[in-house]
Amino acid sequence: EVQLVESGGGLVQPGGSLKLSCAASGFTFSGSAVHWVRQASGKGLEWVGRIRNKANNYATAYAASVKGRFTISRDDSKNTAYLQMNSLKTEDTAVYYCSRRDCSGNSCYSAYWGQGTLVTVSS
Amino acid sequence: QSVLTQPPSASGTPGQRVTISCSGSSSNIGSNTVNWYQQFPGTAPKLLIYSNNQRPSGVPDRFSGSKSGTSASLAISGLQSEDEADYYCAAWDDSLNGVVFGGGTKLTVL
Repeated sequence: EVQLVESGGGLVQPGGSLKLSCAASGFTFSGSAVHWVRQASGKGLEWVGRIRNKANNYATAYAASVKGRFTISRDDSKNTAYLQMNSLKTEDTAVYYCSRRDCSGNSCYSAYWGQGTLVTVSS
Repeated sequence: QSVLTQPPSASGTPGQRVTISCSGSSSNIGSNTVNWYQQFPGTAPKLLIYSNNQRPSGVPDRFSGSKSGTSASLAISGLQSEDEADYYCAAWDDSLNGVVFGGGTKLTVL
């Protein structure tokens, strides 16, 4: 069974840092891309960024709202992806989800999602 | 302001057919496939439609998707009370080099 489990969320002050983890199981993690998506309370989904697999040079991409502050990485030996968040702002408060990105031909989509972890940025 | 535009709400009575639209541009829907996600309060999104019109295993055939030009639609036929949820469209955007989502549509079953 495919499982993605996020952890590391919590309360952090503005300007602070937090590192989220996304632990994967039930599939060949090293072959998959991982995306991070967040959702502020009562708001819609917002794409945060992604990391591709080794075959694609672990290429990363980020939303403009987090570029330069957030970094996505992965450790295939631990079947885990990470989201390092620095210089946090109150507007980064949200539930953060990781997802496994699958592709069929030229079509890619997130078929599997974690349960999410809440990040609260507040003084 | 979301890159993809969806109506904030939609509604229908049990058994009815409802459609949810998603409007984009040439850099996203116009050049890439569209996915639809269903989300219930307090839970993670669930893939409902991928590659414009494909249903993952387990998704009832009451749900269907279509795309034309820079717009896409999700149709739900034989509406049921358990379909009451939020629905999001999404696509890769070549200009932004990232995934863009619609603002979401809250479906109410009257």
